[in-house]
Amino acid sequence: AQSVTQLGSHVSVSEGALVLLRCNYSSSVPPYLFWYVQYPNQGLQLLLKYTSAATLVKGINGFEAEFKKSETSFHLTKPSAHMSDAAEYFCAASFGNEKLTFGTGTRLTIIP
Amino acid sequence: KAGVTQTPRYLIKTRGQQVTLSCSPISGHRSVSWYQQTPGQGLQFLFEYFSETQRNKGNFPGRFSGRQFSNSRSEMNVSTLELGDSALYLCASSLESGGNTGELFFGEGSRLTVL
Repeated sequence: AQSVTQLGSHVSVSEGALVLLRCNYSSSVPPYLFWYVQYPNQGLQLLLKYTSAATLVKGINGFEAEFKKSETSFHLTKPSAHMSDAAEYFCAASFGNEKLTFGTGTRLTIIP
Repeated sequence: KAGVTQTPRYLIKTRGQQVTLSCSPISGHRSVSWYQQTPGQGLQFLFEYFSETQRNKGNFPGRFSGRQFSNSRSEMNVSTLELGDSALYLCASSLESGGNTGELFFGEGSRLTVL
């Protein structure tokens, strides 16, 4: 079955430290991959997307993600965390022409 | 360009009642998807409408229904409300149907509390 798995429902990092949020997928067809962010009391906003072009994808707010087919991963990173990065992050995938499937989310906390 | 608008933002209902939520997509977007978000289950896909036709449906009981109008606005209805229906209901629009064509644009959601 095709699925998206986010490792770690809660991640805490210090301000200025590296942010690493993990996402793995399971699929028999090449996926399209997305990261969304949700701030409190708001809807989801697209951070970045992979659609089979460059494997290293740069998004908004300094985030980037690398598609690694051999590891079936699409981890999200940011070199230096900012207080404003505190939010919930969702990895999502589309397999073939199917609807978007979301992971369970990772809540990111920034420690001052 | 106006974003996705969902109404109402907050509502409280009691068990057994029914509720209708509304979603106005971004102008020009023909696809509207609905998701249920709860702390325990995360984001669960309800259904997708494209040009007034239901294209995809998630694994929810028949109490959950939706429709799309000719102007692409969409409504979802939940009948015979249960406590477990308390959730944030998110609407998302996109230009085309299917997830691989690009991003979904989300509204801020309708938070439903069932007492």
